[in-house]
Amino acid sequence: QKEVEQNSGPLSVPEGAIASLNCTYSDRGSQSFFWYRQYSGKSPELIMFIYSNGDKEDGRFTAQLNKASQYVSLLIRDSQPSDSATYLCAVNKGAQKLVFGQGTRLTINP
Amino acid sequence: KAGVTQTPRYLIKTRGQQVTLSCSPISGHRSVSWYQQTPGQGLQFLFEYFSETQRNKGNFPGRFSGRQFSNSRSEMNVSTLELGDSALYLCASSPTSESYNEQFFGPGTRLTVL
Repeated sequence: QKEVEQNSGPLSVPEGAIASLNCTYSDRGSQSFFWYRQYSGKSPELIMFIYSNGDKEDGRFTAQLNKASQYVSLLIRDSQPSDSATYLCAVNKGAQKLVFGQGTRLTINP
Repeated sequence: KAGVTQTPRYLIKTRGQQVTLSCSPISGHRSVSWYQQTPGQGLQFLFEYFSETQRNKGNFPGRFSGRQFSNSRSEMNVSTLELGDSALYLCASSPTSESYNEQFFGPGTRLTVL
């Protein structure tokens, strides 16, 4: 079992709809959770982080964490073509390192 | 404020050679982490340096090494290159160790091993 798992996609969503990206992790001791966006040919860019159970909202983005189910998700409301990218989930297990999922490729269709 | 810079941006080497990559963190950032990104394995942690000390190391062979200087700049070295070392090497800096909410990636060095 991989430490951090994501569906690789591609996930195709019409413009204006909600895109839902999911991530599961194996270590119950994981402490903090991050979502990165990576455009093709570019480096990852941090867009959200969450530490506590529940929802955290920032503009069109909402991160959701459920530690009991070892599940973290990212919702993108009013999806735009500029949101088309690969989204990476990362988990901090402690010991000074982040573990990344394989990423989900998201395509927003105009 | 200038971002994280990495040099060189592209590199072509042959098997058996060695390579050194450089990373200059954002001013004031003392932690530098290195990652390898490949299509098959994704983004994998190599090591982290903070205040010139290696804090943690990922699951990579000893051919991969690194160091950090007193000005927080970091280098990583790969000796005896193999074809499988072809990847995008990313460094990321943050103010302190594990301050991942303030971590920024550099543009990466694309290494091709022939």
